[in-house]
Amino acid sequence: RKEVEQDPGPFNVPEGATVAFNCTYSNSASQSFFWYRQDCRKEPKLLMSVYSSGNEDGRFTAQLNRASQYISLLIRDSKLSDSATYLCAIAGGTSYGKLTFGQGTILTVHP
Amino acid sequence: DGGITQSPKYLFRKEGQNVTLSCEQNLNHDAMYWYRQDPGQGLRLIYYSQIVNDFQKGDIAEGYSVSREKKESFPLTVTSAQKNPTAFYLCASSPRTGAFTGELFFGEGSRLTVL
Repeated sequence: RKEVEQDPGPFNVPEGATVAFNCTYSNSASQSFFWYRQDCRKEPKLLMSVYSSGNEDGRFTAQLNRASQYISLLIRDSKLSDSATYLCAIAGGTSYGKLTFGQGTILTVHP
Repeated sequence: DGGITQSPKYLFRKEGQNVTLSCEQNLNHDAMYWYRQDPGQGLRLIYYSQIVNDFQKGDIAEGYSVSREKKESFPLTVTSAQKNPTAFYLCASSPRTGAFTGELFFGEGSRLTVL
């Protein structure tokens, strides 16, 4: 089993739709969780951190479920500009800054 | 502007040749990383360095080598021992003070194609 797993998609949704992605992790000792966004043929950029209490940033909501070992990303009112690959990233805590990434979920928002 | 510069952006090499990818940062970050990205496989960690003159193997270090002689530089050599070197290579850095925020600052990447 991979350390971090995501459904690669692609998810094809119309503008205005709500879409959610999950990311499961196998190491119960994982400490920190993040979502990155990667546009086609570009470098990844941090989208948001995932806190135990969940967090929201505009149309984006991230949640953590430690019992079931997964994190989620919810995008409301999808925009064309949300089309990208969304990567989850997890830090185990033993080495500062060492992130393990999922394979990414491709999202395409169409008119 | 502060940032990470990777070069070259595109590189073509013949099989069996060693290749060195450059990564320079002027963010004054202590930690630097090299990731490899293949289609459908996300990012996989090759090597990382948390301080000058020190580095550790990541998950797929075989066939690669690095050095960290200066804080701002972390070059990656793809050797002929790497069986499938064609990939997108990403260098990143992060500060190493306080709690880790999760933010890695990535360069624009180097796309290596071995013919």
